[in-house]
Amino acid sequence: EAGVAQSPRYKIIEKRQSVAFWCNPISGHATLYWYQQILGQGPKLLIQFQNNGVVDDSQLPKDRFSAERLKGVDSTLKIQPAKLEDSAVYLCASSKPSGLFDTQYFGPGTRLTVL
Amino acid sequence: AQRVTQPEKLLSVFKGAPVELKCNYSYSGSPELFWYVQYSRQRLQLLLRHISRESIKGFTADLNKGETSFHLKKPFAQEEDSAMYYCALNNFGNEKLTFGTGTRLTIIP
Repeated sequence: EAGVAQSPRYKIIEKRQSVAFWCNPISGHATLYWYQQILGQGPKLLIQFQNNGVVDDSQLPKDRFSAERLKGVDSTLKIQPAKLEDSAVYLCASSKPSGLFDTQYFGPGTRLTVL
Repeated sequence: AQRVTQPEKLLSVFKGAPVELKCNYSYSGSPELFWYVQYSRQRLQLLLRHISRESIKGFTADLNKGETSFHLKKPFAQEEDSAMYYCALNNFGNEKLTFGTGTRLTIIP
């Protein structure tokens, strides 16, 4: 079974530029998550999708961050414009919902550096 | 609000010695607790969850609701246990995980 795929693995941009990250979840996993992990901290959930609908985006800074999952499979996370404090690893995870808490499988992450 | 606290950022233990990674949580309902591990150059992955009551790679963790703790333990450390460990909490009814800040465990040969 192929794991969660993410690209790019690394990205360096200057502040005020835009950036987009891509995630392909495990086949058959309806739930997809984006996390932000700042150096020295644990992952923090930004947004959760169930198929192509948003379940929770309460911690997504909506003035600059956006995410979509149009066909209920792949997802993109965008930052526009980026700030220095957005430097972090962005993790994508997926799970298949069964009514109870399901194991989340994580991708390798995208390391973003904002200069 | 739910919160997970891992008081130790770094922990070094000699090979063969017992290991205990501390995790405390605050939550008003009935939580589900997890330990996630990230080995060098690998992805974050689930190690164990309290509801399963399993021992994975020799690790166990008991949920103590009175002390609101979920400490991870292993009686005899092995070099391959060196990794970053995260305690996480879920509230029943949704899939949202709240992570602690992590503990980097180093096993000294």
